[in-house]
Amino acid sequence: EVQLVESGGDLVQPGRSLRLSCVASGFIFDDYGMHWVRQTPGKGLEWVSGITSESDYLDYGDSVKGRFTISRDNGKNTLYLQMNSLRPEDTALYYCARGKTGTDAFDIWGQGTLVTVSS
Amino acid sequence: DIVMTQSPDSLAVSLGERATVNCKSSQSLLYSSNNKNYLAWYQQKSGQPPKLLIYWASTRESGVPDRFRGSGSGTDFTLTINSLQAEDVAVYYCQQYYSTPDTFGQGTKLEI
Repeated sequence: EVQLVESGGDLVQPGRSLRLSCVASGFIFDDYGMHWVRQTPGKGLEWVSGITSESDYLDYGDSVKGRFTISRDNGKNTLYLQMNSLRPEDTALYYCARGKTGTDAFDIWGQGTLVTVSS
Repeated sequence: DIVMTQSPDSLAVSLGERATVNCKSSQSLLYSSNNKNYLAWYQQKSGQPPKLLIYWASTRESGVPDRFRGSGSGTDFTLTINSLQAEDVAVYYCQQYYSTPDTFGQGTKLEI
């Protein structure tokens, strides 16, 4: 079964750091670009960051650029999101998503991990 | 950034009837070199992650029932759901992947 499982979400104070992980199974992980997408009741769905299959190209949304770092370990079938200098507006459900081959649509999503930034 | 605007924000449709969701982009999503529209549609049921329904504006993802149809080009797109079923209750989102950052519409809530 093709699956993505996120972890690492937590309640954290503003200014602190957190690292999210996403473990992939059921497909050849290093054949696909991967992404992080977050969702809040107020702002809806927001693409956060993406990484190519060989990590040769990384990209970030403006709201997280300079604070978040995406990475992957193809040997461990795992995608990461290092989040530094967290702000209350980063509070969201963070999804890991697979990029559909040849497109930038997201064909497989995890169940999400909740990040809450609050003092 | 490309702004995606969906309409309506919510709609109620009777079982067996047709539902229509519209999506408008602030700039064209048609890439002239391959004549493809860089637009996708997703369905999100309560408590679940989004599910890809349509990509390239009109190509159904594998396993998606053919009552779901995507159409449109350039800046105006439509998701049509024919013969509405109870299981189609969800929020529907459009997404452009023409240019980074990928952006989503605000969502359309479909009820019976």
